[in-house]
Amino acid sequence: KQEVTQIPAALSVPEGENLVLNCSFTDSAIYNLQWFRQDPGKGLTSLLLIQSSQREQTSGRLNASLDKSSGRSTLYIAASQPGDSATYLCAVDAGGTSYGKLTFGQGTILTVHP
Amino acid sequence: DAGVIQSPRHEVTEMGQEVTLRCKPISGHDYLFWYRQTMMRGLELLIYFNNNVPIDDSGMPEDRFSAKMPNASFSTLKIQPSEPRDSAVYFCASTTYRGGRQYFGPGTRLLVL
Repeated sequence: KQEVTQIPAALSVPEGENLVLNCSFTDSAIYNLQWFRQDPGKGLTSLLLIQSSQREQTSGRLNASLDKSSGRSTLYIAASQPGDSATYLCAVDAGGTSYGKLTFGQGTILTVHP
Repeated sequence: DAGVIQSPRHEVTEMGQEVTLRCKPISGHDYLFWYRQTMMRGLELLIYFNNNVPIDDSGMPEDRFSAKMPNASFSTLKIQPSEPRDSAVYFCASTTYRGGRQYFGPGTRLLVL
């Protein structure tokens, strides 16, 4: 059974810092991995989707990398801003008979203070 | 597009009552997912549909839970009878293809007293 772990559980940084959020998964045979953002009381917003054949994806100040063999992904946020404060979740699509079903990590709560 | 729409946004009910949650996916999205989020268990997939047909309901916790999708623009998740341990935020999501980016609704926050 696929398990997804995110470290750290919470992170507080001053504005302007570059930061890295980590995600690990137990079964490396995945189809893709997604990073989501969740604001308090709101739904999830998909930030980046990396296919299993890709090594990284970029969108603005966000860069997500994927190392399937080691079962790891990182989300890099450059020049953090207070508006980046939210919970960040990674989710794995294991493919195969589980194709389309996402297994989520518990999330990293990010606080960026001015 | 208005995005995924869920109603109600908040629901407070008493144990034993029937609860119906509603979802309208993004037009043109063939896949619809129901998730439940709690502090203890995080986000869990309950069931998903493709072209209105349930594909995988292995995440539905027990027979008290049922889901339907009578047409491409509407789905319901019903709990009957409800119990306090059903208290959670229930999300609906949709996507254009299996394995694609999922677009989430704002969720329904359910409290069963």
